Amino acid sequence: DADVTQTPRNRITKTGKRIMLECSQTKGHDRMYWYRQDPGLGLRLIYYSFDVKDINKGEISDGYSVSRQAQAKFSLSLESAIPNQTALYFCATSDFRKQGVVRDTQYFGPGTRLTVL
Amino acid sequence: AQKITQTQPGMFVQEKEAVTLDCTYDTSDPSYGLFWYKQPSSGEMIFLIYQGSYDQQNATEGRYSLNFQKARKSANLVISASQLGDSAMYFCAMGSGGGADGLTFGKGTHLIIQP
Repeated sequence: DADVTQTPRNRITKTGKRIMLECSQTKGHDRMYWYRQDPGLGLRLIYYSFDVKDINKGEISDGYSVSRQAQAKFSLSLESAIPNQTALYFCATSDFRKQGVVRDTQYFGPGTRLTVL
Repeated sequence: AQKITQTQPGMFVQEKEAVTLDCTYDTSDPSYGLFWYKQPSSGEMIFLIYQGSYDQQNATEGRYSLNFQKARKSANLVISASQLGDSAMYFCAMGSGGGADGLTFGKGTHLIIQP
């Protein structure tokens, strides 16, 4: 089974709809991240969380909100979706505390392809 | 602010040749980490290699090595003996403190390996 899962994998929605993307991990990592990928722009950080009580804005947080329901779950919401939020969304995890492995390597989920019409 | 620059939008390389993918970075943090990820056409992001700013030696992972030149702020990925399965997008990324606050990515290089 995959260590980092994202649901749904694909979603088509309409402008103005509320959308939630979910991320779950079984890696036991404490840090979780949401990125979006647009063609030609690489990945950009939306939000990140160090634990359930610590949420931080990234480079492009406007129009998004997040919830860290548990150590293993981190969801991203678009309160009122707009067409320029059409993108590939990735969840990632990392464990700063783990010894003996590469520090802070981020492990990505498979991505959610979101289309806003 | 951190910045990653990848100047090669696309590259064509013959199978079995070595490949160098360029990456330059800019940061004012003395402690940082540099990462390379591979994204095949299926879309997933695959971690390849990591270099810490205080690491004395260049990182290596199998056929991947990172040519880290700190004074020049470059962190080029070298793939030895390229294979058809190496065809993919490659992203260079950087994080301060090793990446704890999230990574800054470059725009990527699309590598195509030709038989």
